[in-house]
Formats: sequence, structure tokens, C-alpha cells
Amino acid sequence: QVQLQESGPGLVRPSETLSLTCTVSGGSISGYYWSWIRQPPGKGLEWIGYVSHTGSTNSIPSLKSRVTISVDTSKNQFSLKLRSVTAADTAVYYCARAPIIRGAMGWFDPWGQGTLVTVSS
Amino acid sequence: EIVLTQSPATLSLSPGERATLSCRASQSVGSYLAWYQQKPGQAPRLLIYDASNRATGIPARFSGSGSGTDFTLTISSLEPEDVAVYFCQQRNNWYTFGQGTKLQI
Repeated sequence: QVQLQESGPGLVRPSETLSLTCTVSGGSISGYYWSWIRQPPGKGLEWIGYVSHTGSTNSIPSLKSRVTISVDTSKNQFSLKLRSVTAADTAVYYCARAPIIRGAMGWFDPWGQGTLVTVSS
Repeated sequence: EIVLTQSPATLSLSPGERATLSCRASQSVGSYLAWYQQKPGQAPRLLIYDASNRATGIPARFSGSGSGTDFTLTISSLEPEDVAVYFCQQRNNWYTFGQGTKLQI
């Protein structure tokens, strides 16, 4: 059974870079899309972006200029970097797996437990 | 961006009752809609995909219907463990989520 686990600092200072890693266990990185999704306190879910096992990426236009998503197949991990953070980036960050369906990303299943990242000085 | 509007925001029912949750899209998403269940303190779990297909291991009391812009998640007979927030999500044009319906039992 595939499990995902997010890791990284829980506190980031404004204007700095948020860095998170998702470790995949019980299965391979190959053959899937791997996404980051966030949920600000008391708000809904927002998809941030994905990376494929080959390293191709895509992200939501509103965050594209600040987001880098990468994959390390040797470690069965993928990562998120979000630059120039502000308080608006405070959220629970989830990683999730999605199948490749006719070249496009399918549904998110499973998800990691999520990690709260607070942006504050 | 496709906006998904869920209603009601909160639903309070009793065990054994039928729950009907709605998700309306701002433009057609075809059948590219999923439902997720998020129990308190847990990660979301995929319930329904492609509007009406149950994900692996999901009990038969959960069903989904609809296409285009109007979708429904039905829980036929509520169990106490169904307390959760339910989100819809589309993948027809980028990937967006509804704001969620909180189900209280």
C-alpha cells in the first residue's frame, strides 16, 4: 500500500523560500504524476502543481513564477520550493499521487497526512 | 478558472438518513469530477471519480451522479463514521476544488 509523507520546516520567514519533501513508500515513483496541494486555515483546497516521474512539471498560473517542483527517483521523493513567501502562503501542504490517464493527470489518491507551514517573522 | 460551488455548507442529519450533497460547476466539466472525504485531522480520501465511479474500498452506500455542471454525492444510509467534510474536484480545465460541505451526524 503506497504511503506519502511530507517533511520540512513548519515555520518560514516572509520573503524566504518554503521547501517541502514528500517521501513515497510502498510503491514506485514511476508511472504517476505527483502533486502538491495546499489548504489555508479555514479555507478550501488549492492545487499547486505536479511533477511526473520523468521530471516534467506544471503548476497553477498564479504561482508559476514562484514554484519549483522536482523529483528524485533514486530516493523515491519529490519536492516543492515556493519562493518569496508571504502570510498568504500559510497553509497545510499535502502531497498526493495521481495516475496518468491518456496523457493527463487523473485523480488524487492517496494523499499524505499534510504538514502545516506558517509564514511569520 | 472553473469555480465549483458546493451546497449546503453544513448538513446535519441522523444515522440511517440519506444525505444529498451538491456540487455545481461554473462551466461544463463533462464527467471529470471527483468527490473526496476529509475526516477531522486526516488527509482527504478519494470516494468517487469520473462523477459516478466508486474508488477502491469505498462502501456501496456512497454514490455519485451528474454530468456537465451539476453533480450530486449521495450517502444512502448515514453511519456515525461518515462525519467529515466532503469536497468535489474537477480536472477538465486545470484542477480546482469546491469549498466543501461539512456533514454532521
